[in-house]
Amino acid sequence: QIQLVQSGPELKKPGESLKISCKASGYTFTDYAMQWVKQAPGKGLQYMGWINTQTGKPTYADDFKERFVFSLETSASTAYLQINNLKNEDTATYFCSSYVYWGQGVMVTVSS
Amino acid sequence: DVVLTQTPVSLSVTLGDQASISCRSSQSLEYSDGYTYLEWYLQKPGQSPQLLIYEVSNRFSGVPDRFIGSGSGTDFTLKISRVEPEDLGVYYCFQATHDPYTFGAGTKLELK
Repeated sequence: QIQLVQSGPELKKPGESLKISCKASGYTFTDYAMQWVKQAPGKGLQYMGWINTQTGKPTYADDFKERFVFSLETSASTAYLQINNLKNEDTATYFCSSYVYWGQGVMVTVSS
Repeated sequence: DVVLTQTPVSLSVTLGDQASISCRSSQSLEYSDGYTYLEWYLQKPGQSPQLLIYEVSNRFSGVPDRFIGSGSGTDFTLKISRVEPEDLGVYYCFQATHDPYTFGAGTKLELK
């Protein structure tokens, strides 16, 4: 069946970087774009942007143009979200989504 | 960016009641191809969002027919007839017409 399986929870300090993975299975990876969504604790969903899985071209929403990088490893049907220079406000659950399917989310905690 | 305004913020219902959620857009969501890319998601506690409705009024596979989406242009509504326990959670509208895509702030459906 179609699945998006994300990597495990992360605990980081401000200023550090991290890379979250999202592995797709059960469908052709390049058939659908991959989107990323942020959900801060107790808050709503915030659209971060998407990456074209055929060309690798990312598109970022305004709030995510500076420290956020979407990338792919197409041979492994995996998408990545990298966040550089982490800030306390990056504490959130990050979801990947392709077509109508969603990963389970990755909880990221940024704390000194 | 397109702003989606959802009302009410929360909705208390008795099981078997009808519930209605409004989503108003700051711009028309009709795309140049004639389609309107307005979707509705339900996020149950501790879970990833799940797609209910796409293109305003089309129920996704497996979604019960008590979920009815309607609207056009800038005004959209999700009606749930005969609310059941598994319908409780937070509902989000989402637009994929204008880049960057955006979510509404959410409506929490809970028991009275």
